[in-house]
Amino acid sequence: EVQLVESGGGLVQPGGSLRLSCAASGFTFSTYEMNWVRQAPGKGLEWVSYISNSGGTIHYADSVKGRFTISRDNAKNSLYLQMNSLRAEDTAVYYCANFAIEYWGQGTLVTVSS
Amino acid sequence: QAVLTQPSSLSASPGASASLTCTLRSGINVGPYRIYWYQQKPGSPPQYLLRYNSDSDKQQGSGVPSRFSGSKDVSANAGILLISGLQSEDEADYYCMIWHSSAWVFGGGTKLTVL
Repeated sequence: EVQLVESGGGLVQPGGSLRLSCAASGFTFSTYEMNWVRQAPGKGLEWVSYISNSGGTIHYADSVKGRFTISRDNAKNSLYLQMNSLRAEDTAVYYCANFAIEYWGQGTLVTVSS
Repeated sequence: QAVLTQPSSLSASPGASASLTCTLRSGINVGPYRIYWYQQKPGSPPQYLLRYNSDSDKQQGSGVPSRFSGSKDVSANAGILLISGLQSEDEADYYCMIWHSSAWVFGGGTKLTVL
C-alpha cells in the first residue's frame, strides 16, 4: 500500500523556521519525482516545490524561492522541506505528492503567527 | 492575470452533466499542454481524476468512473472536465493543473454544487 506521511508542522512565529518531512512507503521512492503543495485555510492549491528522483533538478514557486529548500534522502525514503523566514502567508496545510502515481499525503498544518 | 482561470462556482442538478472549464492565460496556447484534473472534498487531500492532452494522450485515474472525462476547447483556449450523470457525491472542489515554465500551476478551483 502506498503511503505518504507528512510530519513536522506546527505553530511558529514570523521569521522562524520549520522542517517538514514526508515518509514514503509502498513504492520505489528513489525512482520518482516528488512535490510539495500547500493549501491555505479556505483557499486553493498552490504548488511549492519539485525535486527530481535523484535530487539533481529542483524547482520552486516564486513565493518561496530563497526561503524554502527541498531535499530528499532516497536511502531513508524521505522527502523534506526546510522553511526559513516564515511569513503569515505561509500558513497552510502542506502536502507531499507523487503526481506520477497519483498519490498525496494527508498533509501537515503549518501556522505562522505571533 | 493568472495562468489558469476556473469559474469559482458551478451548480447542476443530479443526473445532469457539468462542464468545468480551465482557461489558459492569453498568450499560452492550450494545444501542447497536458491538463490534469483533481477533485477535493472537505478535510481530504486532492484526488487525481484524469489528465487530457488529446484523444491519443490521455489517462484516467485509477478507479475513476468513466463519467468523468477530459477534453479541450481550442477556440476558447481551455481544458474541460465533463462530468456526466451527476451524483450528490460529486459535490466537491475541482482543480486543474499544468506544467508551465518549470513549475506546476494550479487553477483557482471550481466549487461544484449538486442540487
